Amino acid sequence: AQTVTQSQPEMSVQEAETVTLSCTYDTSESNYYLFWYKQPPSRQMILVIRQEAYKQQNATENRFSVNFQKAAKSFSLKISDSQLGDTAMYFCAFRSNFGNEKLTFGTGTRLTIIP
Amino acid sequence: EAGVAQSPRYKIIEKRQSVAFWCNPISGHATLYWYQQILGQGPKLLIQFQNNGVVDDSQLPKDRFSAERLKGVDSTLKIQPAKLEDSAVYLCASSPDRVVGYTFGSGTRLTVV
Repeated sequence: AQTVTQSQPEMSVQEAETVTLSCTYDTSESNYYLFWYKQPPSRQMILVIRQEAYKQQNATENRFSVNFQKAAKSFSLKISDSQLGDTAMYFCAFRSNFGNEKLTFGTGTRLTIIP
Repeated sequence: EAGVAQSPRYKIIEKRQSVAFWCNPISGHATLYWYQQILGQGPKLLIQFQNNGVVDDSQLPKDRFSAERLKGVDSTLKIQPAKLEDSAVYLCASSPDRVVGYTFGSGTRLTVV
């Protein structure tokens, strides 16, 4: 079974600074998807960015980018020019390309942007 | 595009009572998921439907939890009887066929006292 580990329960950073959230995962598969989701107090999971394992190029979405290290099974999220609206829980998630399509989540990192 | 609708938003019940949650996925999405998110943890899959058939219910405590998906559209998750440890947020999500993407609802926060 796949596992996802987020070792930083909480982080805080000054507004406009850059912050990196860590995620490691364990799988024997070679083809899969990785995701970062943001969960604000409204509780709805919002997709931040996703990465397909067979693509070597790191995904980027505006101020959000990932550092995907497949051999190390590491998938970190970098938020540049952080904004107050980035304050939320962030979850790393894994989806296999085999079997069912469920997401396996890590335990989350609570990110606080300080004005 | 309308989102995934869930109700109620909050529910407080006493232990041993029953409760039901409702989810209306995005129109046309074949797959529907129910996740349980206990405070301080990531969501854990309870049950996955493909149309109105169950794909995975291995983590569903079947002695007290049940779920159904009517005509492959709306879904209901029931707990009977509830325990204190069932206090959590219950998230519903849906995804279309052959496309990797998930849309989550805002969840139901259940408190069992």
